Amino acid sequence: DADVTQTPRNRITKTGKRIMLECSQTKGHDRMYWYRQDPGLGLRLIYYSFDVKDINKGEISDGYSVSRQAQAKFSLSLESAIPNQTALYFCATSDLTGGQETQYFGPGTRLLVL
Amino acid sequence: RKEVEQDPGPFNVPEGATVAFNCTYSNSASQSFFWYRQDCRKEPKLLMSVYSSGNEDGRFTAQLNRASQYISLLIRDSKLSDSATYLCVVKIGNDYKLSFGAGTTVTVRA
Repeated sequence: DADVTQTPRNRITKTGKRIMLECSQTKGHDRMYWYRQDPGLGLRLIYYSFDVKDINKGEISDGYSVSRQAQAKFSLSLESAIPNQTALYFCATSDLTGGQETQYFGPGTRLLVL
Repeated sequence: RKEVEQDPGPFNVPEGATVAFNCTYSNSASQSFFWYRQDCRKEPKLLMSVYSSGNEDGRFTAQLNRASQYISLLIRDSKLSDSATYLCVVKIGNDYKLSFGAGTTVTVRA
C-alpha cells in the first residue's frame, strides 16, 4: 500500500464550486505539505503543517485553505474554484534522517476547473 | 529571477550514452541540494542528495559548485528507464521551504 495517498486522483469542477482534496499518510511524519505543479514551473508550496495544531501559508496560499485533522491527514480546499487553479496538486510528507530532510509525495490530483 | 533555474531540455540520448545537465540557484544562503526524479504524470521521488564534495550513486554523479551557484547531474551508461524529468531542489538554511526547478527532461532512445 502507498504511504501517501491522495483522493480524488482526478477531478473536474466548475468555476465557483467548493472542492476538497484529501491526503493521508501512514509514514508517521509530522510535517505535511501541499504543492501545485504547472507546466514549465517548479512545484510551488501552497500550505504546510509541522503538527496537528500548526498551519502555515506557503508562497501561493490565496484562494486555498487547509485543515490538519490528525497527524495522518491534511486536506486542501478551494473555496470557490477558478480556472487558473487548474493544475496538478501534490501532497507531501517529510522527515529528517541523518540531518537531511526528504520529502515523500503522494500520487497527485489532477484538477480541471471549467 | 527564479530561485532555481534549469534547462528544460529535452536531452535526447541513445542508450549507453552519458548525459549531463546543470541547475543554477540564486540564493547564496542555500545549504541543501537535491535531485528528484519525476516520471510522466507521476509524483517526484528523491534521486539523491548533493554534497559539497560531490557524490556518486551507481551511474549517477552529482556535483555542487558553490562559487558559481550551480549543481549538476551526470548519468553514465544511460538506460531506457532513465527517461524522466529531473528536478533540481534547493533548501535555504534551515528554512522549511524547498525551491523546485521546473525540471530537465531526459529521453533515452534504444
